[in-house]
Amino acid sequence: EVQLVESGGGLIQPGGSLRLSCAASGFTVSSNYMSWVRQAPGKGLEWVSVIYSGGSTYYADSVKGRFTISRDNSKNTLYLQMNSLRAEDTAVYYCASIRNYAFDYWGQGTLVTVSS
Amino acid sequence: QSALTQPASVSGSPGQSITISCTGTSSDVGSYNLVSWYQQHPGKAPKLMIYEVSKRPSGVSNRFSGSKSGNTASLTISGLQAEDEADYYCCSYAGSSPWVFGGGTKLTVL
Repeated sequence: EVQLVESGGGLIQPGGSLRLSCAASGFTVSSNYMSWVRQAPGKGLEWVSVIYSGGSTYYADSVKGRFTISRDNSKNTLYLQMNSLRAEDTAVYYCASIRNYAFDYWGQGTLVTVSS
Repeated sequence: QSALTQPASVSGSPGQSITISCTGTSSDVGSYNLVSWYQQHPGKAPKLMIYEVSKRPSGVSNRFSGSKSGNTASLTISGLQAEDEADYYCCSYAGSSPWVFGGGTKLTVL
């Protein structure tokens, strides 16, 4: 059974940094396209970043230069390093696997709150 | 990349059919047959309902169907049931800025 479990969210001051983790089971992270999608409170879904199986990475304009997606193949875990955090980054962050260019499996999400 | 355009809300009675539209551009919906649809109940993670415009993942009811014409994709739910009440999001692959979501549609089952 495929399972994705996010962790690392919390309350952080503006300008701070946070690293989110997404531990996968039931499939191999490095063999799949993996993504982060976020949802601000009461708002819609926003695609954040993707890492392809070959290692290429892409980012939404709203986070480019501040966020970095990566993976640890030995731990079968996906990461999102978030720097220079802003209030508008406050959201539930979901990791998701991608198949057929659709987000097929999702984690339960982890809440990031950026506030002083 | 601008968000895809969905109606904010739709409603229908049990047993009826409803359709949710999703309008993009020639750079996303119009260029790729890679539109997907997600159902999200309050406090839950989204669930994939349709991929590649009209394909259903295993386990998704055949009451859900998808289509596309030009820059607009559509999700149709037939035989509405109470449990279909949720938020629905469309998403399209867009090449250079890979994915873009719609703003979401709240479905109310009357």
